[in-house]
Amino acid sequence: DADVTQTPRNRITKTGKRIMLECSQTKGHDRMYWYRQDPGLGLRLIYYSFDVKDINKGEISDGYSVSRQAQAKFSLSLESAIPNQTALYFCATSDFGTGSGELFFGEGSRLTVL
Amino acid sequence: GQQLNQSPQSMFIQEGEDVSMNCTSSSIFNTWLWYKQDPGEGPVLLIALYKAGELTSNGRLTAQFGITRKDSFLNISASIPSDVGIYFCAGQLIRAGNQFYFGTGTSLTVIP
Repeated sequence: DADVTQTPRNRITKTGKRIMLECSQTKGHDRMYWYRQDPGLGLRLIYYSFDVKDINKGEISDGYSVSRQAQAKFSLSLESAIPNQTALYFCATSDFGTGSGELFFGEGSRLTVL
Repeated sequence: GQQLNQSPQSMFIQEGEDVSMNCTSSSIFNTWLWYKQDPGEGPVLLIALYKAGELTSNGRLTAQFGITRKDSFLNISASIPSDVGIYFCAGQLIRAGNQFYFGTGTSLTVIP
């Protein structure tokens, strides 16, 4: 089983719909992230959380919100999806407490907004 | 946001050839990471670098943390078809809340 699990893996929705992408991890890491990947633009940070109740905006947070329900769970919401939010979304975790500074990714959630 | 310039954008090579790609930035990073991404999958960590000048290998892959801490390179020796994919560099900035910044990727195609 994957250490970082994302659901759903694929989703097609319509403009204006509310969408939630969920992420859970079994790595025991304290830090969790949501990234968006677009062709030619690399990975861009949406939101990140260093612990439960800690939420920080990333580079492209507009139009998104997050919830850190537990150390192992971090969900991303699009309150009213729009077509330019069509992208591949990745959840990631890291454990800076060990000094490793390494980032581990889920398998991605492909979102299409029509 | 921070910019990581990764080059080349794409490479088409013959099986058995060596490959080199690099990332540069105007900022100083404390960690450099190299990832590989297969189609439809998440990036997988290949090599992590933590000290300026560090040279680390993982099988046929070798990566170095530049002395200035503003760059890193990844070499793949004797490429094989399963090396096909997109390779990303990532740098971590302590002063930016330990955020990671990514290059735009190098797409590698290996011709058998």
